[in-house]
Order: sequence, then C-alpha cells, then structure tokens
Amino acid sequence: QKEVEQDPGPLSVPEGAIVSLNCTYSNSAFQYFMWYRQYSRKGPELLMYTYSSGNKEDGRFTAQVDKSSKYISLFIRDSQPSDSATYLCAMSGFGNEKLTFGTGTRLTIIP
Amino acid sequence: DADVTQTPRNRITKTGKRIMLECSQTKGHDRMYWYRQDPGLGLRLIYYSFDVKDINKGEISDGYSVSRQAQAKFSLSLESAIPNQTALYFCATSDLDGANYGYTFGSGTRLTVV
Repeated sequence: QKEVEQDPGPLSVPEGAIVSLNCTYSNSAFQYFMWYRQYSRKGPELLMYTYSSGNKEDGRFTAQVDKSSKYISLFIRDSQPSDSATYLCAMSGFGNEKLTFGTGTRLTIIP
Repeated sequence: DADVTQTPRNRITKTGKRIMLECSQTKGHDRMYWYRQDPGLGLRLIYYSFDVKDINKGEISDGYSVSRQAQAKFSLSLESAIPNQTALYFCATSDLDGANYGYTFGSGTRLTVV
C-alpha cells in the first residue's frame, strides 16, 4: 500500500462548480501538507501549504487537513477553465528529508 | 529567466545511446532532485543531492547516474537508453526545509527512446 493515495480521476466539472480533491495517507508522522498544480507540459507549482490540522484559505482555494482521519482536501470555489490541470498532494513529517507525493488528479473545468 | 531551467525541453533518442539531461538553478538552494513522471505512477524520485559532495539514490535509480557539478547544476545521465525510460523528467530544488515547505520544479524534459 502506498503511503499517499490519490484518485487519479479524470474529474470533469462545469464552470462555476465547487471542486473537491482529496488524498489519504497512512503515515501518522506527516505534519506538512501541500498541494501542487501542474499544467500540461509544465512542472508542478506549489499552490497551497498547510501545517498540521485545520483549514487554510487563499482566494478561491481552501486546503483542509484532518489528521485524525489522515485525510486532506483541496476545495476550489467558482471553478474556472484556467483551473484545468493535474493537482498533486504532497506531505512530509518530522525527520523526513523528502516529500512524499500523491499520483495526481487530472481536473477539467468545462466552460 | 526561470528559477530552475532544464535542457533540452524535448529529446528523441535511440535505444542504447547515452544521453544527458541538464538542470541549473538560480534559487541558491542546496538541495536538488531528479524525478520522472509517468501516467498513473506519479512522480518517482531517481536521485537527489543535498549539497555538492552529496549524492543519494532514490526509488528508481537503476539505469541512471547523476553529477552535481556545482551548487547550481545537477545533471542526469542515461548510460544506455531503453524504451521504458521514455517519460517526463523533472528537476527540483529546495532549501534545507524543502521537505516542510515545498520544492521548486523546472518545466521538464520530455524524453522519448525509440
């Protein structure tokens, strides 16, 4: 079993909808949680960063961490065609020297 | 200019050929990484380096080698390319807290081995 599980999709939603992207993990030592966005033929770029449990909001994006369930989410409100990309979760914990990535979810926003 | 630059952007090579992918960065980061990305498999770590004199194998290092020529340069070599090394390759950098605060990725090299 992988340390980080992420549904690969693809996920297609109409423009304006709320999008929910999720990852589960098995390592209870993970404390740092990130979401990367990757456009086609581009490298991943850091979108959101969260430490420990709770929510973090940045514009239309909200990152949520539930450590008790080992479950993280990224919500996108008022989704736009420009949000069409692959979204990867990543995480690490105390003593970890490297990030552990999910496999990514491919999202398409339909105009 | 991009913070992390990878060359070439695209490359087609024949089976058995030696090929080098190059990465340079202007972030001033000590840590550099090479990943390959395949559909359904996500990012897999090939090699990483925490400073100029440090080289470490990742989860899929067989068939690959690396050289850290300077703090800013980290190259990946395929000694004898084979078709299943066809993939998208990414270089990434981070500072000492990279595992906690994230990596900066280059734009990738699309490699096709025929």
